[in-house]
Amino acid sequence: DGGITQSPKYLFRKEGQNVTLSCEQNLNHDAMYWYRQDPGQGLRLIYYSQIVNDFQKGDIAEGYSVSREKKESFPLTVTSAQKNPTAFYLCASSIYVGETQYFGPGTRLLVL
Amino acid sequence: KQEVTQIPAALSVPEGENLVLNCSFTDSAIYNLQWFRQDPGKGLTSLLLIQSSQREQTSGRLNASLDKSSGRSTLYIAASQPGDSATYLCAVFDNNNDMRFGAGTRLTVKP
Repeated sequence: DGGITQSPKYLFRKEGQNVTLSCEQNLNHDAMYWYRQDPGQGLRLIYYSQIVNDFQKGDIAEGYSVSREKKESFPLTVTSAQKNPTAFYLCASSIYVGETQYFGPGTRLLVL
Repeated sequence: KQEVTQIPAALSVPEGENLVLNCSFTDSAIYNLQWFRQDPGKGLTSLLLIQSSQREQTSGRLNASLDKSSGRSTLYIAASQPGDSATYLCAVFDNNNDMRFGAGTRLTVKP
């Protein structure tokens, strides 16, 4: 089955803690993206990666970090510097930047 | 900075009606525009992608149009069904590799 997966489905973060959200794709796509979705708002881009070992900041990168060591994987770390992390996080991939994006099922992050 | 607006925020129609969802954007220098569907608590599913050189795209009961000069796109859904109930989002990809999403239109189709 080709697709894009995210784990976990729900994640709880304690204050001061860093947490990492997983995103994996087996579509052989070069580009991958992380978005944040808040209630009643559109998606906002956190980071994107055009190719392995490359990534660019989006509109709301502060308090987040990413890595792209493998084509298939684009993990997102929500650091303790992100003061309002509660949101629905969506990962996407596309064959190249600007082409149709395919989304994972999302991870809902909640703060304890 | 590109801004994408979707009106209305919510729409309720009886089954069988044809309907139009609207998307407007402020900067016409776009690379493409995509329409997505999102079910509650789920990821997005791509419906249609219109390149900047195209005027419309069709897939089944869906037709999306693009008027770059006026900064507008519409998604036309024919013969709506209860299964069409979802939030529909449009997203604009511009020439600076920026993707901007609208807040979405929440559609309810009543049986």
